Amino acid sequence: GNSVTQMEGPVTLSEEAFLTINCTYTATGYPSLFWYVQYPGEGLQLLLKATKADDKGSNKGFEATYRKETTSFHLEKGSVQVSDSAVYFCALSDPNTGTASKLTFGTGTRLQVTL
Amino acid sequence: SQTIHQWPATLVQPVGSPLSLECTVEGTSNPNLYWYRQAAGRGLQLLFYSVGIGQISSEVPQNLSASRPQDRQFILSSKKLLLSDSGFYLCAWSAGQGARQPQHFGDGTRLSIL
Repeated sequence: GNSVTQMEGPVTLSEEAFLTINCTYTATGYPSLFWYVQYPGEGLQLLLKATKADDKGSNKGFEATYRKETTSFHLEKGSVQVSDSAVYFCALSDPNTGTASKLTFGTGTRLQVTL
Repeated sequence: SQTIHQWPATLVQPVGSPLSLECTVEGTSNPNLYWYRQAAGRGLQLLFYSVGIGQISSEVPQNLSASRPQDRQFILSSKKLLLSDSGFYLCAWSAGQGARQPQHFGDGTRLSIL
């Protein structure tokens, strides 16, 4: 079956540091890949997405590249802010599930940014 | 633009009581709808999804049920809550155009069972 593996957290960084959160996946076929962010007490927000190999998704200074050869979709940001503190989820969408977009999520990585 | 609403935001219920959580989507037609549960400090578990009115698929056996009485309304229910039903419940929608569409989430309902 499909699976998503994220690096264990929490990740603690100082403001303006470089961020990488690793994500690798296992899937049959060619899934779409997503990063979601969850702020405390809230639902998940779509951060960025990529639908095919070598696509780069980007939003709010975050970016991730769909690497089929390494089955990875690592999240990066050049300079984090305190407001980026949240839990980040990597997810994939199995294209073989018909009309429903059934997502497989990683367990989430908590990011804490300090001044 | 599309919006998704969940209510209530928080709920405290005694063991054995019934449950009804509601989710509605605005600004789109024929969405796919989903219910997830997120246990404290854990990832998301897909409970149910629906591709149309009256069409419900269950992902895990459990004490809960789901219904879709209208195109943009999705309800999560239980006849008798268990302590293990505590958690953060999230509703989501995606465009009904295939499996590559992203899901968009509501703000969630935090359910505590006493």
